Amino acid sequence: RKEVEQDPGPFNVPEGATVAFNCTYSNSASQSFFWYRQDCRKEPKLLMSVYSSGNEDGRFTAQLNRASQYISLLIRDSKLSDSATYLCVVAKSSGGYNKLIFGAGTRLAVHP
Amino acid sequence: DAGVTQSPTHLIKTRGQQVTLRCSPKSGHDTVSWYQQALGQGPQFIFQYYEEEERQRGNFPDRFSGHQFPNYSSELNVNALLLGDSALYLCASRRDYEQYFGPGTRLTVT
Repeated sequence: RKEVEQDPGPFNVPEGATVAFNCTYSNSASQSFFWYRQDCRKEPKLLMSVYSSGNEDGRFTAQLNRASQYISLLIRDSKLSDSATYLCVVAKSSGGYNKLIFGAGTRLAVHP
Repeated sequence: DAGVTQSPTHLIKTRGQQVTLRCSPKSGHDTVSWYQQALGQGPQFIFQYYEEEERQRGNFPDRFSGHQFPNYSSELNVNALLLGDSALYLCASRRDYEQYFGPGTRLTVT
């Protein structure tokens, strides 16, 4: 079983739609959680961190459920520019050093 | 302020050969991590360097080795290349919290 699992998609949605991505992780010792965005043939870029209390950044809302080991990302009012692959990421610390564990990503395509 | 830079951008090698990839971290960053991203997959952690020492390692064979220099730049070396080593190799640097990724080196092994 992979440490971080995501639905690969693709999610094809019209502009203005609301779309939600889910992610599960297997290691309960995971300490930090993130969503990264990766455009085609580009490097991943941090979209937002995910906190237990839930957090929002404009049209993006992230939620974490530690008991269920589940992370979500909600995108409201989708824009064409939101088309990308969204990577769910958990961080584990070992000996004081963090490493990031990535899911395979969920592809989003927003169409006019 | 230059971000993370990597060289070369693309590389084609033959099975059995050796390759060296280079990374310069973002200014002020002292920790460098390397990731391998195969097509359709998320990045997989290879190893992390801090103070010129390997601090953590992922599930990669000894053919993958690295180095960090006093100026925090880093190299990734892969020996005895296999076809399965074809991937995008990403370098990420950080000082405290957020990791910043470079544009990657796309390695093709034929």
